[in-house]
Amino acid sequence: DSGVTQTPKHLITATGQRVTLRCSPRSGDLSVYWYQQSLDQGLQFLIQYYNGEERAKGNILERFSAQQFPDLHSELNLSSLELGDSALYFCASTLAGGPGETQYFGPGTRLLVL
Amino acid sequence: DAKTTQPPSMDCAEGRAANLPCNHSTISGNEYVYWYRQIHSQGPQYIIHGLKNNETNEMASLIITEDRKSSTLILPHATLRDTAVYYCIVRGANTGNQFYFGTGTSLTVIP
Repeated sequence: DSGVTQTPKHLITATGQRVTLRCSPRSGDLSVYWYQQSLDQGLQFLIQYYNGEERAKGNILERFSAQQFPDLHSELNLSSLELGDSALYFCASTLAGGPGETQYFGPGTRLLVL
Repeated sequence: DAKTTQPPSMDCAEGRAANLPCNHSTISGNEYVYWYRQIHSQGPQYIIHGLKNNETNEMASLIITEDRKSSTLILPHATLRDTAVYYCIVRGANTGNQFYFGTGTSLTVIP
């Protein structure tokens, strides 16, 4: 158990819909990362937040957005969903995001868009 | 964005040491080498990381060559539970301190 929690575990929805994925970092960690893992793309970094502020962006679509709240949990919002958005979405956390800090990953949310 | 090269797959006999190589010839002096593994569709699991020196923990050993252009992850006594995809990642200021996962090595431990 990494200490990072994600809800829900599974999500099934239809194209065009909007969903919200939730992540709670490890106790004491200030930085949260989101990743997408689809069959043909591997693990892709989406976005990083540190103490409520966006710190870095990766391959995140404009239809996707995220935020980190004062209690440090984070939400990833996916809108206008397409079939290709079906994937595993992982959240990870670190203390501050420095290069020598280990990222601990949550169990993921499996999204299926029909 | 991945800066590492790994063999796509390897087999290892149960109980033997598994040696997983990784090439990172363009690594910079301030970049770390990290190893993670992913079992089925679970979240990636941290194994070990290092900067210059060899490292060992309860899971594995990390051997980094003197020129830092390659490294080897050693699982001393592989078990069936070690069957997974293993990712070698270089991380530092040049990568925006982000993890860029490549395709990894699919390790199969054979009974």
